Amino acid sequence: EAGVAQSPRYKIIEKRQSVAFWCNPISGHATLYWYQQILGQGPKLLIQFQNNGVVDDSQLPKDRFSAERLKGVDSTLKIQPAKLEDSAVYLCASSLARAGELFFGEGSRLTVL
Amino acid sequence: GESVGLHLPTLSVQEGDNSIINCAYSNSASDYFIWYKQESGKGPQFIIDIRSNMDKRQGQRVTVLLNKTVKHLSLQIAATQPGDSAVYFCAEKSSGNQFYFGTGTSLTVIP
Repeated sequence: EAGVAQSPRYKIIEKRQSVAFWCNPISGHATLYWYQQILGQGPKLLIQFQNNGVVDDSQLPKDRFSAERLKGVDSTLKIQPAKLEDSAVYLCASSLARAGELFFGEGSRLTVL
Repeated sequence: GESVGLHLPTLSVQEGDNSIINCAYSNSASDYFIWYKQESGKGPQFIIDIRSNMDKRQGQRVTVLLNKTVKHLSLQIAATQPGDSAVYFCAEKSSGNQFYFGTGTSLTVIP
């Protein structure tokens, strides 16, 4: 079974530029999560989707971050404009059910200069 | 320059010894907990889970203990191997079905 796919693996941008990350969850997984993991910290939930609807985006900085999952499968997380403090690994995870185990992708490492 | 992050708690053990990693969770209403292992440059990987109606669950070389009274979770790894070196996170599921992660513990196994 293919795992959660994320791209790009690495991205370096300057502050105030924009960036987008893509996630393809495990086939059949209705729930998709985006987490931000800053160096030395645990993953922090940004947004949770159930199919193509948002379940929780309370910790998403909506002035600069946006995410969508238009067809209930792939998802895109965008940051515009980026700040230095956005440097982190952005992890995508999916689960079969809302209360089930999370399966993570390898992450997209963002460096903002 | 690179920002300074929090220092992870660290644990060093000799190969073959048992390891115990602890985690305090915050929400007494949390009903499901997972331990994840994260190797450098990779995403977190599921190790073992436990529901709140249990106080112990065993897997292969791993045991999770749950103490709801003090909101404490522990992961025990038997006969620790060099491949167990990683950062270990506990995650708790909220009533809203979101998973929240702790800071993590960095385990180093000394050959």
